[in-house]
Amino acid sequence: AQRVTQPEKLLSVFKGAPVELKCNYSYSGSPELFWYVQYSRQRLQLLLRHISRESIKGFTADLNKGETSFHLKKPFAQEEDSAMYYCALSGDNQGGKLIFGQGTELSVKP
Amino acid sequence: DAGVIQSPRHEVTEMGQEVTLRCKPISGHNSLFWYRQTMMRGLELLIYFNNNVPIDDSGMPEDRFSAKMPNASFSTLKIQPSEPRDSAVYFCASSTGTANTGELFFGEGSRLTVL
Repeated sequence: AQRVTQPEKLLSVFKGAPVELKCNYSYSGSPELFWYVQYSRQRLQLLLRHISRESIKGFTADLNKGETSFHLKKPFAQEEDSAMYYCALSGDNQGGKLIFGQGTELSVKP
Repeated sequence: DAGVIQSPRHEVTEMGQEVTLRCKPISGHNSLFWYRQTMMRGLELLIYFNNNVPIDDSGMPEDRFSAKMPNASFSTLKIQPSEPRDSAVYFCASSTGTANTGELFFGEGSRLTVL
């Protein structure tokens, strides 16, 4: 069975502090992992995907198959990073279906 | 493009009433997804369609829930009869579905409150 686990419902940090949002997954095949973000009063949108190996808004995420993790990191958090973050998994030949974790609310305080 | 359009944005109804949520996907997208968002369970996939055909409805909670996609530009999610535990935000999303790019485009959601 596919499962995505985000152990923290809420993560609160101060501006300028490093931030790491945890994501672990369970899947027997070759997964593709993504991070989606929902800012206040905006639509849920794609932040980054592991196959792109990109840094978006200072965020990076590395897929660790040994630990089945895909943690989202940023060295210096900004107030505008405050949002709801969802980790998501897509399996082989599943027509683009995404399974989401429960989400982590990130609050960056001034 | 206005993106994925959902209606109504807010719905308040009484237990036992029928609720119909509507979705217009992005033109040209051939996959459509219905998700439910709650504080306790996060985002749950209810059902998804490829080329208007339901592919996986294993996430539909009960027979009270049904979804249709009569054409490429319209889908409905119906709850009959509704119950207080159905209160949630229901999201529709669409994608090209042809490759595993993982980018779903979400609507603004329909917030349902069942009293």
